[in-house]
Amino acid sequence: GQNIDQPTEMTATEGAIVQINCTYQTSGFNGLFWYQQHAGEAPTFLSYNVLDGLEEKGRFSSFLSRSKGYSYLLLKELQMKDSASYLCAVVDSNYQLIWGAGTKLIIKP
Amino acid sequence: ETGVTQTPRHLVMGMTNKKSLKCEQHLGHNAMYWYKQSAKKPLELMFVYNFKEQTENNSVPSRFSPECPNSSHLFLHLHTLQPEDSALYLCASSQEREGHNEQFFGPGTRLTVL
Repeated sequence: GQNIDQPTEMTATEGAIVQINCTYQTSGFNGLFWYQQHAGEAPTFLSYNVLDGLEEKGRFSSFLSRSKGYSYLLLKELQMKDSASYLCAVVDSNYQLIWGAGTKLIIKP
Repeated sequence: ETGVTQTPRHLVMGMTNKKSLKCEQHLGHNAMYWYKQSAKKPLELMFVYNFKEQTENNSVPSRFSPECPNSSHLFLHLHTLQPEDSALYLCASSQEREGHNEQFFGPGTRLTVL
């Protein structure tokens, strides 16, 4: 079966750095998305990786290793507004999105 | 604002009621989706419409009935629901193509079935 694993919840301090991991086992791979979802709001796109390596976008970076079935989202200089759930999703061989359950990130002052 | 709107934002219904959820996208996309989001569970894909044709139905109970009259509008008709159907129902749209198939989500309808 297809499976996406990410931690249920993480806590970090304002101004610090946090890494949210995602491992996957899917039938085929055509890219990996990270989305952010604030409570009661729509998920919004953060990043897309299809090749190995690090993609940097401001305070957020996303890394992919296809051989290891592994990705992480790195958030730097954490702000209180970064408190949200972070969803990992993999595009499988049928170009369908397979979703993880999300990681709830709590930022403390 | 993601360009995808959903109404109502909140809905409480009894098990014998009939109601409909509405989604509209203003992005010119050709694919629309219904998802169910329950606490601490992955997003569950329910239905996919591509160019108004239903291309995916993930074994969803018949008490959920989708309708896509055109590429901008999507409905989810609900009848005789169960309490376990209480969840956040998200609509999304995308421009269907191979590769980077970013989906844009609406804010969702929080459904409570009594």
